[in-house]
Amino acid sequence: AQKITQTQPGMFVQEKEAVTLDCTYDTSDPSYGLFWYKQPSSGEMIFLIYQGSYDQQNATEGRYSLNFQKARKSANLVISASQLGDSAMYFCVLGPEGGKLIFGQGTELSVKP
Amino acid sequence: EPEVTQTPSHQVTQMGQEVILRCVPISNHLYFYWYRQILGQKVEFLVSFYNNEISEKSEIFDDQFSVERPDGSNFTLKIRSTKLEDSAMYFCASSVSTGQHSGANVLTFGAGSRLTVL
Repeated sequence: AQKITQTQPGMFVQEKEAVTLDCTYDTSDPSYGLFWYKQPSSGEMIFLIYQGSYDQQNATEGRYSLNFQKARKSANLVISASQLGDSAMYFCVLGPEGGKLIFGQGTELSVKP
Repeated sequence: EPEVTQTPSHQVTQMGQEVILRCVPISNHLYFYWYRQILGQKVEFLVSFYNNEISEKSEIFDDQFSVERPDGSNFTLKIRSTKLEDSAMYFCASSVSTGQHSGANVLTFGAGSRLTVL
């Protein structure tokens, strides 16, 4: 069975500081993808970053990086230099090969000025 | 930047009424999806659609639900007889591929349609 777990329902971070959002997953598929999506209060779902299970290097996209530790089955999102606009719900998502996406419970990030 | 467009943004309906949620996926995408998010809960997969037929559906997607691609641009979700528990945000999404062989299945989501069933 595929499962994705985000253990932090809420996080606070000071503006300009870095923050790590935790995510662990479980799958028996040899090939899969891990995604992070951001959902601001307006409700839309915004794709942030993707990591393939066979990728040798950790994914980075601007201020976002994914700390992928395959043996530990973790895929933490690191946001550097937090901005007020980063306040949102963040979802870690498991994408089995060719299959439907499985969302975690989400972590609500609040950036303090 | 290309986007997925959903209408209406919010719909209020009476229990037992039929509802149609509409989506315009990105034009060169081939795979279409509906997900839903009940307030305060996880985002759940409903159905995926490819080549004019359902490719996968969840146990939530029962006989009350149907999807259709009536023309070359729209993708609709119909709820035949709404129940109170259908109240949720419904997200349409599309992708170029399913990510088979690469693991990459980056979905572009619409802004969502909030359905309130009274």
